[in-house]
Amino acid sequence: HVQLQQSGPGLVKPSQTLSLTCAISGDSVSSNSAAWNWIRQSPSRGLEWLGRTYYRSKWSHDYAVSMYSRITITADSSKNQFSLQVNSVTPEDAAVYYCVRATGYGSGWYDYWGPGTLVTVSS
Amino acid sequence: IVLTQSPGTLSLSPGKEATLSCRTSQSLSSSFLAWYQQKPGQAPRLLIYAASSRATGIPDRFSGSGSGTDFTLTISRLEPEDFAVYYCQQYGGSPPCTFGQGTKVEIK
Repeated sequence: HVQLQQSGPGLVKPSQTLSLTCAISGDSVSSNSAAWNWIRQSPSRGLEWLGRTYYRSKWSHDYAVSMYSRITITADSSKNQFSLQVNSVTPEDAAVYYCVRATGYGSGWYDYWGPGTLVTVSS
Repeated sequence: IVLTQSPGTLSLSPGKEATLSCRTSQSLSSSFLAWYQQKPGQAPRLLIYAASSRATGIPDRFSGSGSGTDFTLTISRLEPEDFAVYYCQQYGGSPPCTFGQGTKVEIK
């Protein structure tokens, strides 16, 4: 049974960096059949895919175009976890952030979700 | 790809059948469509993938159908725990995936 446990601050100051980590149990971040995603949810934007990392003989990542200049997703095989960084946050980045496993064909469907981290952007 | 869900809110009594619609702006190849249920304060839960395949542990009162640009989630007999918000999602070959805006199923 896969479990995703999120950690990181829930309060970030404007212009600073949002950093969240997702620890995986029951699967491997290096799995050849899964991708590890970050999705956020806010009342104004709904559910919004931010990006993903995955391993298929080498590490790859994809990011939402709207986030491309500000986002980094990295994986740490030794700790079996993956992380999200969003630079230069603004109040529009306030949301619940989820780490999510995708599996299956195409970009995959999201079968396991972390509990979510409510991120507030405020000075 | 834009996903449009209807209706926005569905008011029904327990035991009734719920029919939720998801229309996509482009035809989805290989029925790359999933449905999720979300209750307040919880993460979304996968119900259906590949348009009509139930996820592990999902009761058979949940069924999905459709292809191309029109997809449907049917809940055959609403149980009290089924009142929630439902989202459709397309997951084509390349990201980004996109979600619909949701349909709220509320108790009448």
